[in-house]
Amino acid sequence: RKEVEQDPGPFNVPEGATVAFNCTYSNSASQSFFWYRQDCRKEPKLLMSVYSSGNEDGRFTAQLNRASQYISLLIRDSKLSDSATYLCVVNRNYQLIWGAGTKLIIKP
Amino acid sequence: DAGVTQSPTHLIKTRGQQVTLRCSPKSGHDTVSWYQQALGQGPQFIFQYYEEEERQRGNFPDRFSGHQFPNYSSELNVNALLLGDSALYLCASSPQGNGQPQHFGDGTRLSIL
Repeated sequence: RKEVEQDPGPFNVPEGATVAFNCTYSNSASQSFFWYRQDCRKEPKLLMSVYSSGNEDGRFTAQLNRASQYISLLIRDSKLSDSATYLCVVNRNYQLIWGAGTKLIIKP
Repeated sequence: DAGVTQSPTHLIKTRGQQVTLRCSPKSGHDTVSWYQQALGQGPQFIFQYYEEEERQRGNFPDRFSGHQFPNYSSELNVNALLLGDSALYLCASSPQGNGQPQHFGDGTRLSIL
């Protein structure tokens, strides 16, 4: 079993829909948490850090449940430009451990 | 404000050869991490350098080695290249401290023939 697991994709959704990504991690010693976005053949880019209190950045909302070792990302009012692979990342002892990513395809 | 820069962008090598990849961190960052990303997979942590020393290492063989220079730039060296080393190699920089978000360069795409 991988240390960070994400929903297998791809997700095909219409423009304007709400999309939810789920992620679980197995090591309770994980210290900090992030969502990254990666476009095809490009480098990963930090989308947002994830905090236990939950945090929001425009159309994006991230949640962390340490007890359940579960992380989520919600995208509201999805745009065509949101099409990308979304990667769940946990930090432990200076290293980032990555999920395999979930590909999102927004259709007009 | 320059971001993370990597060179070269693409490289083709043959089995058994050696390769050196280079990375300059984002201004103000002193910590450099290297990752290997195979197609369709998330990045895999190779190692992290801080204060010119390897601070943490992932599950990669000794063929993978690195260096950090006093100006915080870094090199990744891979010896005795195998076909399976073909991947995108990503460099990320961050400020000192565990758990800081990392910022990535464009990567070096390495192909082994």
